Parts: sequence; C-alpha cells; structure tokens
Amino acid sequence: DTAVSQTPKYLVTQMGNDKSIKCEQNLGHDTMYWYKQDSKKFLKIMFSYNNKELIINETVPNRFSPKSPDKAHLNLHINSLELGDSAVYFCASSQDGGPGGNTIYFGEGSWLTVV
Amino acid sequence: AQKVTQAQTEISVVEKEDVTLDCVYETRDTTYYLFWYKQPPSGELVFLIRRNSFDEQNEISGRYSWNFQKSTSSFNFTITASQVVDSAVYFCALSEAMLGNQFYFGTGTSLTVIP
Repeated sequence: DTAVSQTPKYLVTQMGNDKSIKCEQNLGHDTMYWYKQDSKKFLKIMFSYNNKELIINETVPNRFSPKSPDKAHLNLHINSLELGDSAVYFCASSQDGGPGGNTIYFGEGSWLTVV
Repeated sequence: AQKVTQAQTEISVVEKEDVTLDCVYETRDTTYYLFWYKQPPSGELVFLIRRNSFDEQNEISGRYSWNFQKSTSSFNFTITASQVVDSAVYFCALSEAMLGNQFYFGTGTSLTVIP
C-alpha cells in the first residue's frame, strides 16, 4: 500500500497544454502539500491544504491551481504549460498543520517535461 | 538568509568508508524540529529521522547516526561503513513551531558511494 500516491509518474507534454497531476494519501492525514523540485534538486513548497482549506500559497503563477475534493486528495492542475514548468512535482501529507514538527511524507514524484 | 545550510554539495566515498553529511540551521524559535530525508536515484523522498529541539540525545539506527548540537546549530548525519545503496541526495530540513508545518529544506548533499 503506497501511503502517498500520485499519478502520472511521467508526463511529457507540449507547451501551451493543460495537464493535471492527481494525488491521494491513505494515511488519514489532515494536511497535504505540493512541492516543486527543480533541476538543481531545490525543493520549494507551492501549496498546502489543511482539511480541504488552503493554508499556504506560495508565489506561484496562477496557471497552477490546486484542488482538494476531500482531505485525502489534492490534485494539481496546470494551465498553459511553459518550458520552465518542467520539474518534478511532489505531493506530500502530514498529520496536522498546527504547531509544526509533523513529519511530511512524500509521494514518489511526477516528472513533468514540457517540450 | 538560508535557514538550512548543507555546505557539501557533492561527496564521494569508497564503499565501507564512514561519511558525515553536515547540516547547519538558523532559527530564533525555541521550539523547532529537524529532519533528514533521502532521495535515491529512483527519485522518491524517504523520511529518515525527526528530532525536536528539546531532545539533544544523539540517535543511532543501524549504520545511520545523527548528532544534534544546539550550541553549533547543527544536525549532522553519519553513515558508517557506507554501501552503494547509500548513494542518494540527502536533505536536511527545519520546521519551526511558530510557523505551523512549513518546512525549510536545505539544498541537499549528493552522496556517491563507489564500489
């Protein structure tokens, strides 16, 4: 059983397309995240949801829109893809978004390549 | 300012050597948490350890050990008798109680263990 699962694992698409990455966690966690890892391996948080409510929304283009239908799912939709969007996108979850220190568990990553 | 500094970008060791990965953090919070994650070549991010600021006891788990020193704001990670399977990028991270569950990741140290 994969605790945090995201699909697809690999995605190659053309500039200008719209794509979605789906994420589900079966850990019963309250908080889910999207992180972006660039080619230099730098990990940057994009969004955080706690019980379906947005709590962290870092400076990302508004072409990126997260959607959380329930607390076990957090999908990432990207409109009008650009070359610079090529990266690995990690979904993650943690028990609670409260006072901090909760271990974040990551999915296996989705490798997005925009051509 | 970088809250988590991993000064070693790349390290290469020969199998069976011991290796220490450095992590220096910066925080004004009295309650904080430190983490290490491993990212093997397959790409997933694997949680290794979580340590809170009130627990300075060093921890050992098999060939892995962690040395937490508040006096030097460091949380170093040592692999004893390294193996090829230890080859990965290792990330240190900080979470501050004041800011909820926002993580600050270091830039990672890429470890290559040569057979």
